[in-house]
Order: sequence, then structure tokens, then C-alpha cells
Amino acid sequence: EVQLVQSGAEVNKAGESLKISCMGSGDDFTNDWIAWVRQMPGKGLEWMGIIFLHDSETKYSPSFEGQVTISADKSISTAYLQWSSLKASDTAMYYCARQAYYASGTDFHSALDFWGQGTKVTVSS
Amino acid sequence: DIQMTQSPSSLSASLGDGVTITCRASQNIKRHVNWYQQIPGKAPKLLIYSASSLESGVPAKFSGSGSGTDFTLTISSLQPEDFATYYCQQSYSFPHSFGQGTKVEIK
Repeated sequence: EVQLVQSGAEVNKAGESLKISCMGSGDDFTNDWIAWVRQMPGKGLEWMGIIFLHDSETKYSPSFEGQVTISADKSISTAYLQWSSLKASDTAMYYCARQAYYASGTDFHSALDFWGQGTKVTVSS
Repeated sequence: DIQMTQSPSSLSASLGDGVTITCRASQNIKRHVNWYQQIPGKAPKLLIYSASSLESGVPAKFSGSGSGTDFTLTISSLQPEDFATYYCQQSYSFPHSFGQGTKVEIK
């Protein structure tokens, strides 16, 4: 069974650094892309960025570039999301998700088919 | 970046009703649209990919259509477990943006 297991809830102060993780199991994730999605309290889903576990190629949303760093360790099928200096506005639930690819004629489509359980990050000012 | 605009932002419906949610892209994204369901306190779940393909294990009461800039998600015969928030997402180009969500509530 494919699973993405995220690290536990975090409570931090503004200005602290933080790194949360997302570990895949039940499949070979070496050639998978893992995305990170933010959900602020009571709000919708925001796509933050994505990383290819094989070579750590990364794409960021302009809204998040420079604010977070996405990294990976393919040897343990794990993706990371980190902050160097947290802000109160980083308080949110963070989800990781695997990007699956589907052939459609001569085109390929992608979607987030498996999701982690979420990591709640609370930052106090 | 591509903007995805969902409507309505919320709707009320009764058990057994059918509902339709729409999503409009700010540019032509062919059929690169996915739909997700999120129950409060849970991670999102993929329902539909490539605008109209049903993800494995998802009941056929969910259906999607559209291409270009206009897309719809239709849910037939609403049951208690269908009351949730639904999101569209474009996967045509990075960043793979989401719509703002549609909350389906019990009337």
C-alpha cells in the first residue's frame, strides 16, 4: 500500500528554523515528484512547489520561492520542507502529495494521487 | 501564472440532490484539470484527473467535463459523505494552482 507519512505537529516561535518531512513507502518513489501544499486555517489549498526525488530538481510557486526550501533524500524516499526563519503567517497545515502521471493520447497529464496526513505548524510571535 | 476561479464558493443541497461546480482557467489549459474532495480534518482526495477521468476507487456518481478554459464537476445523488469542500487544480503549467474551493453543505 502506497503511503506518505509526514512528521509530527510543530509549535515554534517566530524567527526559528524548521524542517518537516514526508516519507514514502509501499512503492519505489525514486522516479516520483513530490509536491507540497499549504492550507492556512480555514482557507483553501495553495500549491507551494514540487521536487523530483531522483535528482532533486525543484519547481517553486513564485508565491513561495525564497520563503521556503524544498529538498529530498532519495535513498530514504523522503522529501523535506524547511524554513530558515519562521513567521506567524507560516501557521498552517502542510501536506505532501505524490504526483502521478497518466497517458492521454500523445499527452501526459498529472495529478496528486496520494497525500500525506498533513503536518500542522504553529508559529507564535 | 494560471488562475483558477471556482463557482460557487459554497452551496446548500439536500440528500439525493445533484450539484454542479464550475471552474474557469485564466488561459487555455486543454484538459489538464483535476478535482479533489476534502472532508474537514482530512487530507484532500483525488476524484477526477484529465478533466473527466475517474480516479480508481472513486464512485461513478462523480463526473467531470470540459476543455480549454471551462470545466465542471458534477455530483449526483448527494449522500452524507459527499458534503465536503471540492477543489479544482490545473496541471498544465507550473505552478499547479488550485481554485479557491467550493463548500457543499447540507440544506
